Amino acid sequence: VQLVQSGAEVKKPGESLRISCKGSGYKFTSYWIGWVRQMPGKGLEWMGIIFPGDSDPKYSPSLQGQVTISADKSITTAYLQWGSLRASDTAMYYCVRRAVGWNGYYFDHWGQGTLVTVSS
Amino acid sequence: EIVLTQSPATLSLSPGERATLSCRASQSVTNSVAWYQQRPGQAPRLLIYETSNRATGIPARFSGSGSGTDFTLTISSLEPEDFAVYYCQLRDNWPMYTFGQGTKLEI
Repeated sequence: VQLVQSGAEVKKPGESLRISCKGSGYKFTSYWIGWVRQMPGKGLEWMGIIFPGDSDPKYSPSLQGQVTISADKSITTAYLQWGSLRASDTAMYYCVRRAVGWNGYYFDHWGQGTLVTVSS
Repeated sequence: EIVLTQSPATLSLSPGERATLSCRASQSVTNSVAWYQQRPGQAPRLLIYETSNRATGIPARFSGSGSGTDFTLTISSLEPEDFAVYYCQLRDNWPMYTFGQGTKLEI
């Protein structure tokens, strides 16, 4: 199993951006893919999740409307997209594969991370 | 919304010592907890899932326990590579997922 993310980005406030996460080594349409944000020097924050089989994203209420999560199952890739970046979007972003246990949910594989820097 | 509070924020120990990290939920939970380790400059990795199961390749010195509101990650004898930040996580009401704020384990 591998989740390979796109490279670091440096953007200006107001610009748009889409970062990607390509899954391989497993059946892409059978597992939810999520995104986790880590702001500089801070902890982990769950942003949202999508099931590539039907591309129905779910979002953290605190981030709803600020980002868009999508997936293209034909190329086993998930995306995280911003329409208008802000300086506060500066962070490391991880994609994760969600696994299901008998009574719990956890992220068993992580991408290497994509660093997004937003600065004028 | 369930809040996970980890303690202590920082734990200072020496190699060979035993580490006990706590994760307390703001209300009793029925779902299990997972633990992750993040070394400096690296992505987090899964250590423990379903409260007490070690992920693939995780050494036996790592163990997890707990139920209800209180969960614990124990490292029986610290190795130099164990000094890192540890996070607990669970799934709240669908579709929310929650992380604790982390415990930094330092030498």
